[in-house]
Amino acid sequence: GQQLNQSPQSMFIQEGEDVSMNCTSSSIFNTWLWYKQEPGEGPVLLIALYKAGELTSNGRLTAQFGITRKDSFLNISASIPSDVGIYFCAGQLYAGNMLTFGGGTRLMVKP
Amino acid sequence: DVKVTQSSRYLVKRTGEKVFLECVQDMDHENMFWYRQDPGLGLRLIYFSYDVKMKEKGDIPEGYSVSREKKERFSLILESASTNQTSMYLCASRVTNRETQYFGPGTRLLVL
Repeated sequence: GQQLNQSPQSMFIQEGEDVSMNCTSSSIFNTWLWYKQEPGEGPVLLIALYKAGELTSNGRLTAQFGITRKDSFLNISASIPSDVGIYFCAGQLYAGNMLTFGGGTRLMVKP
Repeated sequence: DVKVTQSSRYLVKRTGEKVFLECVQDMDHENMFWYRQDPGLGLRLIYFSYDVKMKEKGDIPEGYSVSREKKERFSLILESASTNQTSMYLCASRVTNRETQYFGPGTRLLVL
């Protein structure tokens, strides 16, 4: 099955820095999701995007649905140690379809 | 709160053993999923189930089977475990035609 290209694969940043990650696909999606997986846990939904061009925030997190519908971006402002984890993007073409997941971005934050 | 539980957090098995991974959800969701997670590969779908007694192959079903006898329970079976099935296994559930999947904590399986 298709996989989304997610980058970077890992990031090691200083506390307080801003973080950007993105996902690209060769085909369009109508829904983009961003999940976070903390160590030893399953992924938890952070943000869902439903319209091309949509920009949605959840606290210090902001995600955008790319205008071409083939990409999505996640930004984290002023990172803190509890932001550590793996962030996954996922795309869905139609309601009821399976999700296609990116490879994940592992974020490490140095206090 | 949606609760998806998995029977074991860690398992160690020997090559050739039959392995059962159990997943239970308490929100009456119709759809359930089994994924495996490997570094750099993200989540890959093994099997999913739209409803009781229904099952569909995902992207990597080889070496696995599933059982969905009750709505709340979805079992993943490794008929004869092999070392290349060492991985993290994640179960998820959702309401039909909704995009949001709710994940369990995962089972980390080591096959020796």
